[in-house]
Amino acid sequence: SQQGEEDPQALSIQEGENATMNCSYKTSINNLQWYRQNSGRGLVHLILIRSNEREKHSGRLRVTLDTSKKSSSLLITASRAADTASYFCATVANDYKLSFGAGTTVTVRA
Amino acid sequence: DTAVSQTPKYLVTQMGNDKSIKCEQNLGHDTMYWYKQDSKKFLKIMFSYNNKELIINETVPNRFSPKSPDKAHLNLHINSLELGDSAVYFCASSQQGTAVQYFGPGTRLLVL
Repeated sequence: SQQGEEDPQALSIQEGENATMNCSYKTSINNLQWYRQNSGRGLVHLILIRSNEREKHSGRLRVTLDTSKKSSSLLITASRAADTASYFCATVANDYKLSFGAGTTVTVRA
Repeated sequence: DTAVSQTPKYLVTQMGNDKSIKCEQNLGHDTMYWYKQDSKKFLKIMFSYNNKELIINETVPNRFSPKSPDKAHLNLHINSLELGDSAVYFCASSQQGTAVQYFGPGTRLLVL
């Protein structure tokens, strides 16, 4: 069953702006991951945050996790045209099975 | 030096046919997966193999049969294809004990 729910479904921003997307989930997790999917391609892992972590950074990416609210956010700073893609959160329980949300489609306008 | 590869990339076939999709990974991982992505981009796991043994088998019609000849390969055979099987099928791999998965480029299946 679908675990994560991303919000918004779609996001259009100007190059240089920040993009923020949210993910909510329903059950206890071991970790939460964010993946990117460019059009017509496979998913690429971006960042993993464990259930005992609250914030994590990787380059222009910042991820937060609030286990009390069962939610996470992904912030992409100083967006570029190459950031145009769909972004998925995936939750992992103790079985190491990824449960994906439906994704947020981000369009970065030049 | 592609990490996870799938063949074919595109597959167009008639309803009722039987088809196979192949997946190979050269990452040395011991766990492989098949996912189905529907037209709304919702990604759902179908199967997972660890060291050639089936460990995840979600609610999938038994027309779908995975086969893992060795740790580096996981194939998906689909019998009696139906219109609703049209989707993008992704193979992925990981090392047991780690949560990050590496995805192939996908196979776009269209059943007419």
